[in-house]
Amino acid sequence: AFQLTQSPSSLSASVGDRVTITCRASHGISSALAWYQQKPGKPPKLLIYDASNLESGVPSRFSGSGFGTDFTLTISSLQPEDFAAYYCQQFNRYPYTFGQGTKLEIK
Amino acid sequence: QVQLVQSGAEVKKPGSSVKVSCRASGGSLSSYAISWVRQAPGQGLEWMGGIIPIFTSSDYAQKFHGRVTITADESTNIVYLDLSSLRSEDTAVYYCARGRLAPVYSAFDIWGQGTMVTVSS
Repeated sequence: AFQLTQSPSSLSASVGDRVTITCRASHGISSALAWYQQKPGKPPKLLIYDASNLESGVPSRFSGSGFGTDFTLTISSLQPEDFAAYYCQQFNRYPYTFGQGTKLEIK
Repeated sequence: QVQLVQSGAEVKKPGSSVKVSCRASGGSLSSYAISWVRQAPGQGLEWMGGIIPIFTSSDYAQKFHGRVTITADESTNIVYLDLSSLRSEDTAVYYCARGRLAPVYSAFDIWGQGTMVTVSS
């Protein structure tokens, strides 16, 4: 069965830190991967589509990379508003699964 | 700018059904893939299925086959999620979301505000 594994599940960091979240697919998915940010009580917000394309209006400190099975989301310099949950999602095959999520907390 | 507006919170008994609506304002849904995603309390996101209204056919995650029906009314610009045989594990916030590229499933750039469905006896 297809698996999308996101790590870490939680992460503590400080304002100004550089952080990386990874997403690994059990089978190749080309670049059909998106990243979302979700704050409590709100719907997710699209950050990155097609693995590395920044959604309009999203700050440039967010970036995505990867192809095939291994993907990363990088926040170059954490800001206070970045503390939230992050999810990857693949669009290569049914069902369009999400990763388990990463909760980014203030250290 | 298109917005997705969902129907209000529901409280249902186990074994019953619920129908949640997702209406587009400011634009048409017809040529876009509209998906339903749910999130149980304190848990992650789960794709349930979707529809591309102009193609009329729906797609469902295997887990929900037989219990979920997703339909669209192009005349009113509304997509519906019907979930039957409800159990306590279906208690969740249900979101509709639009794929950014028409007419294929793609990253979700617009989301509804969410509808809380509580299943309790």
